[in-house]
Amino acid sequence: EAEVAQSPRYKITEKSQAVAFWCDPISGHATLYWYRQILGQGPELLVQFQDESVVDDSQLPKDRFSAERLKGVDSTLKIQPAELGDSAMYLCASSTGQGSHAWTGELFFGEGSRLTVL
Amino acid sequence: SQQGEEDPQALSIQEGENATMNCSYKTSINNLQWYRQNSGRGLVHLILIRSNEREKHSGRLRVTLDTSKKSSSLLITASRAADTASYFCATSRVEGDAGGTSYGKLTFGQGTILTVHP
Repeated sequence: EAEVAQSPRYKITEKSQAVAFWCDPISGHATLYWYRQILGQGPELLVQFQDESVVDDSQLPKDRFSAERLKGVDSTLKIQPAELGDSAMYLCASSTGQGSHAWTGELFFGEGSRLTVL
Repeated sequence: SQQGEEDPQALSIQEGENATMNCSYKTSINNLQWYRQNSGRGLVHLILIRSNEREKHSGRLRVTLDTSKKSSSLLITASRAADTASYFCATSRVEGDAGGTSYGKLTFGQGTILTVHP
């Protein structure tokens, strides 16, 4: 069964360092999402792509976070510099595009990247 | 910002009992979805109910939606120890980006932690 791949699964870094997370969505899924989940809370959307275009990055702290999906397939989320408050699980998800006849609204999540900032 | 609020925050029951979780939201929605998350893992889609539906079943799951009260409930019947997990409701709305493109946005609640004791 097709899965959303994320790496690394775990990352420990010191504050002020740069961190990058990678996501490979399910093949053919036009929409890709990055969510941040702080322990004990629900996921919060950071950025949403439709193909290679950003459709929503309203909650992305743009002074330190950046995201790209250059060819409309895999995506990278970067944090520079990392702060203590960035410690969280970073979840990538994908779905078929809304214009697709196959769209169900269901998101498929990867296993996440757990970030610890010391 | 998270639209859904879930109740209770934590629920502890014995195997075989039913578990009911509630979700309230604030704005109009296209559909409402429930997801499950095992500790330290990604989220898994359970069920989706559209705004024009009132009740939906899937195996041991029953979801209701009351759009007049802006609330939903998830019932898990005959619970098992393997049902132990966090459960999140997520509301889907159509939003528009600066370029006039419409897209679906999924916003998660804070979740209910369900513990089923053998």
